[in-house]
Amino acid sequence: EVQLVESGGGLVQPGGSLRLSCAASGFTFSSYLMHWVRQVPGKGLVWVSRIYSDGSKKGYADSVKGRFTISRDNAKNTLYLQMSSLRDEDTGIYHCTRESDPGGLEWGQGTMVTVSS
Amino acid sequence: QSALTQPPSASGSPGQSVTISCTGTSSDVGAYNYVSWYQQHPGKAPKLMIYEVTKRPSGVPDRFSGSKYGSTASLTVSGLQAEDEADYYCSSYVGSDNFEFGGGTKLTVL
Repeated sequence: EVQLVESGGGLVQPGGSLRLSCAASGFTFSSYLMHWVRQVPGKGLVWVSRIYSDGSKKGYADSVKGRFTISRDNAKNTLYLQMSSLRDEDTGIYHCTRESDPGGLEWGQGTMVTVSS
Repeated sequence: QSALTQPPSASGSPGQSVTISCTGTSSDVGAYNYVSWYQQHPGKAPKLMIYEVTKRPSGVPDRFSGSKYGSTASLTVSGLQAEDEADYYCSSYVGSDNFEFGGGTKLTVL
């Protein structure tokens, strides 16, 4: 069974930093592209970032480019999202997702990030 | 980046069919056949229902189907059932290793 378990969320002040982790199991992690997607509770989905299976290529939404860094450790079956210069609008549930099919994502339950003073 | 445009709500009676649209541009939906659809029930993580415009992952009922014409993709749910009541989101690849989501559509089964 595919499992994606996010951690590292919490309350942080504007301008602060946070690192999210996603522990993957039940599949060959090193074979899959992975994404992060944000959702404000009760609202829509916002794509954040994607990384290739070998980490060679990365993509970012314009709203986080230069502030967020996606990375992965295939030996540890773990995906990361380093977030810095955080803003109020970065608040939301961050879901780790596996690109199980071309452009199609399987989702973890997410970890909540709250940016507030 | 602008979100893809979906109607905020849709509804139908049990047994009927309902179609949800997802309108983009020639740079996203119109340019790539990487349109996906997700179903989300309250308090749950989204679930992949359609990928590559028309393909269903294993386990997804064939009542769910996808299509695309120009820059507009559509999700059709046939034979509506009570458990189909949920939020539905479309997504498209937009190039340069980037993706976009639609704003979501709340489907109500009357």
